[in-house]
Amino acid sequence: AQSVSQHNHHVILSEAASLELGCNYSYGGTVNLFWYVQYPGQHLQLLLKYFSGDPLVKGIKGFEAEFIKSKFSFNLRKPSVQWSDTAEYFCAVNAGGGATNKLIFGTGTLLAVQP
Amino acid sequence: KAGVTQTPRYLIKTRGQQVTLSCSPISGHRSVSWYQQTPGQGLQFLFEYFSETQRNKGNFPGRFSGRQFSNSRSEMNVSTLELGDSALYLCASSFGTANQPQHFGDGTRLSIL
Repeated sequence: AQSVSQHNHHVILSEAASLELGCNYSYGGTVNLFWYVQYPGQHLQLLLKYFSGDPLVKGIKGFEAEFIKSKFSFNLRKPSVQWSDTAEYFCAVNAGGGATNKLIFGTGTLLAVQP
Repeated sequence: KAGVTQTPRYLIKTRGQQVTLSCSPISGHRSVSWYQQTPGQGLQFLFEYFSETQRNKGNFPGRFSGRQFSNSRSEMNVSTLELGDSALYLCASSFGTANQPQHFGDGTRLSIL
């Protein structure tokens, strides 16, 4: 069965520190990959997505992610975090092909940025 | 443009009752997916509707059902409620292809007493 693993459940960083959140998925075919963020009291929002092409994708608020097919990974990065980045981050994969919207989510990473 | 709207925002029910949740997608979106979010299981896919047809289904019991109307609005129904059904139910809409991101609503918080 398809699955998504996020290895960091809780991350605490100081402002200006660099961030890298790991995401691995299990599926051998074509995948569409997403990172979503859930700020306190808000709905899930799309940070960035990868469908094809350049494996390094840039999203909103200075986030980027790199798709490494050989490692089945899609790690999220940000060079310098801010207090406002405090949120829960979810990696998700849509592995159903062109005519499906079944997202498989990782368990999420709770990021706390200390001012 | 208006986002995905879910009603009601909060519901309190007792075991054995049934409940219907509603989702209005973003204008132009034909796909509506439903997810259950709990602290223990995280975000789990329930089902997806596209053009009034169920296109995908997750691993939930038959007590969970849904439908979609011609205007793409969707409803989710849970019958014979159990304590374990307490969760945040999220609806997401999109244009319908896998390379289009889903846009999520604020969810309906269902509490079972």
